[in-house]
Amino acid sequence: QSALTQPASVSGSPGQSITISCTGTSSDIATYNYVSWYQQHPGKAPKLMIYHVNYRPSGVSNRFSGSKSGNTASLTISGLQAEDEADYYCNSYTSSSTWVFGGGTRLTVL
Amino acid sequence: QGQLVQSGSELKEPGASVKVSCKASGYILTSHGLNWVRQARGQGLEWLGWINTYSGNPTYAQGFTGRFVFSLDTSVSTAYLQISSLRAEDTAVYYCARDLRSRGSYYMDVWGNGTTVTVSS
Repeated sequence: QSALTQPASVSGSPGQSITISCTGTSSDIATYNYVSWYQQHPGKAPKLMIYHVNYRPSGVSNRFSGSKSGNTASLTISGLQAEDEADYYCNSYTSSSTWVFGGGTRLTVL
Repeated sequence: QGQLVQSGSELKEPGASVKVSCKASGYILTSHGLNWVRQARGQGLEWLGWINTYSGNPTYAQGFTGRFVFSLDTSVSTAYLQISSLRAEDTAVYYCARDLRSRGSYYMDVWGNGTTVTVSS
C-alpha cells in the first residue's frame, strides 16, 4: 500500500486560509469516508484534528474543516494562527483493512 | 477518555532486540484495538500494524512481518511491540495509538507519548 500523496509544504499569513490536499486511490480515499487528519508539533505526538472526512473531535477549533471529492481529501484551516504551524498528516482506511498515512505537509505561518 | 503511556527511550546495538510497552489507563484495554506507528527522524508517520486487544490477533503491515511482534498483558493493561535483529534503519520514534474500529469509528483518537529507539554500535 503506497502512502497517500500530500504537498511537502504550504504556507500562509495570519488570518488567511490554507488547504492541504491528500490524494489516494480507489482502494482507500475513494471508497471509504474514513479519512482523518493529524497535527504534529515538533517533538510531540500526533493529535487528531478531523475524522470521518469532516468531523471535529471535541476541543478542536472550528477553524479546521475537512472535505473529500473522489480520491482526494482536503484539510482547510481558516483564520490562520501562529500556533497552527505544524506538520499535518492525512490517514485513510483501506480495502485491505489496513491504515495508510500521507507523507505529511509542513505548514508555515508567515 | 483514556491515556496511553509508553516506556522510555532505548539504545540498542545492531542485532539486539527491544520491547516497547504501551500502558492504557482511563479505559479498558480490551475494548479498543491498538495500532503501532513509527516515525524516523525528519520523516513521516508509518503504520506498522495493529492488534485486536479483545482477541489478541495481530495484523502486520507489509514489510513488518517476522521481526516485529505485537503482544498484550491484559492483567496490567499493557500492549507491547518487540523488534528483533535490530538494524540502524529501525532507529525511530515508535507510537501506540488507540483504534476505534470496534465501535464502528475508523480513526486513531488517543496516542501514546512515543518511545525513541536508537540502534547504534
